[in-house]
Amino acid sequence: QKEVEQNSGPLSVPEGAIASLNCTYSDRGSQSFFWYRQYSGKSPELIMFIYSNGDKEDGRFTAQLNKASQYVSLLIRDSQPSDSATYLCAVDRDSSYKLIFGSGTRLLVRP
Amino acid sequence: DAMVIQNPRYQVTQFGKPVTLSCSQTLNHNVMYWYQQKSSQAPKLLFHYYDKDFNNEADTPDNFQSRRPNTSFCFLDIRSPGLGDAAMYLCATSSGGVLNIQYFGAGTRLSVL
Repeated sequence: QKEVEQNSGPLSVPEGAIASLNCTYSDRGSQSFFWYRQYSGKSPELIMFIYSNGDKEDGRFTAQLNKASQYVSLLIRDSQPSDSATYLCAVDRDSSYKLIFGSGTRLLVRP
Repeated sequence: DAMVIQNPRYQVTQFGKPVTLSCSQTLNHNVMYWYQQKSSQAPKLLFHYYDKDFNNEADTPDNFQSRRPNTSFCFLDIRSPGLGDAAMYLCATSSGGVLNIQYFGAGTRLSVL
C-alpha cells in the first residue's frame, strides 16, 4: 500500500463546476496535510494546508480533513480553465519535517 | 521576487559527465531539500539538510551527493549521470517548525544524452 494515494485522473469538470479531489494516507501519526498545484513542466506551488479535523476555506478552495478515516480532500468551487493542473497531496512523515507526496490527480476544466 | 532560486533551469549533460545543480534561498530557512521528479510521478526525496546536518534517504543512489556550504546555498552533485537520471530536480526549503510548509524553487530539468 502506498503511503499517500490519489486517483491519477484525469478528473474532467466543466467550467463553473465544483472539482473534488481526494487523498488517503496510511500513517496515523501524520499531523500536517498539504495540497500543492503543479502545472505541466513547472514546480509545485502550495495552495492549502490543514492540520485540524474539519474544513478550511480559502477563497474558492476548501480543504477537508478526517483523521479517523485518514483522508484529506480539496474542493475547488467555480472551477476555471486556469485550474487545470496536477494536484499533489502531501502528508508529513512521522510528524517530522519531511513530506510524503502522492502521485497527484490531474484536473481538466473544460471551457 | 523568487525566494528559492534554482540554476540552471535546464541542464543537458552527457552520459557519465558530472553535473552540479544549485539552489539558493532568501528565506533564511533551516531546512533545504532535494527532490527528483519524473513524469507523472510523485516528487521523490533524495536528501535534506537541517542546518548543516545532512540526512540521506535510504534509497538514494550513491551517485547523488549534496553540499550545503552555508544557510543560503545547497548543491546537488550527480557524479556519473545515467539515462535514468533524466528528470526534474526540485529544491525546497522550510523553517523546520511544527507546521512544515515547504517552498519550492522553479526546478532544473536535466537531460542526459
